[in-house]
Amino acid sequence: SQTIHQWPATLVQPVGSPLSLECTVEGTSNPNLYWYRQAAGRGLQLLFYSVGIGQISSEVPQNLSASRPQDRQFILSSKKLLLSDSGFYLCAWRSASGGPYEQYFGPGTRLTVT
Amino acid sequence: AQSVTQLGSHVSVSEGALVLLRCNYSSSVPPYLFWYVQYPNQGLQLLLKYTSAATLVKGINGFEAEFKKSETSFHLTKPSAHMSDAAEYFCAVTADTGRRALTFGSGTRLQVQP
Repeated sequence: SQTIHQWPATLVQPVGSPLSLECTVEGTSNPNLYWYRQAAGRGLQLLFYSVGIGQISSEVPQNLSASRPQDRQFILSSKKLLLSDSGFYLCAWRSASGGPYEQYFGPGTRLTVT
Repeated sequence: AQSVTQLGSHVSVSEGALVLLRCNYSSSVPPYLFWYVQYPNQGLQLLLKYTSAATLVKGINGFEAEFKKSETSFHLTKPSAHMSDAAEYFCAVTADTGRRALTFGSGTRLQVQP
């Protein structure tokens, strides 16, 4: 069966510090990978998605970036965090082949920028 | 492009009462529709999915949803609420084109009163 991991689970970082969040998927190959952000009291905002190693598409212009160095690894980064980067970050995967395209989510990372 | 509207950011029901969470979608192509549940500080869990095989879809935990094309709706129901159903529920849509990312509604928080 497939499993998706995220770490760290919680993170408190000062404004201007760097960020690295990691997501890994087990039990599947060549998945589509996604990063979402959920701000307090709001829905999910798609940040990045990837259909393969080194292939990243950005949905929202911001100071965040993503990378996919390995098939089942997806990293979210920032060089300098802003207060507005606080939120709950969720990684998700879905099969690249065929529908119906449901996504499976990791446990999330709670980021607080102080 | 797709969009989802969830009517009612908060819904409160008594234990044992009917649960009805509303979702209306907009899509220029035949959609795939999903309901997810999120418990506090956790990732999203797939409740059920509509894939055009049947208009009435049964999911986990006794939930079901009916796809009504004429009303562009995909409302989530459960005959009898349980205290453990208290959570936030998200409706999502995607299409068999493009990036196949999910577009989420803003969520409905379900409260179950004893």
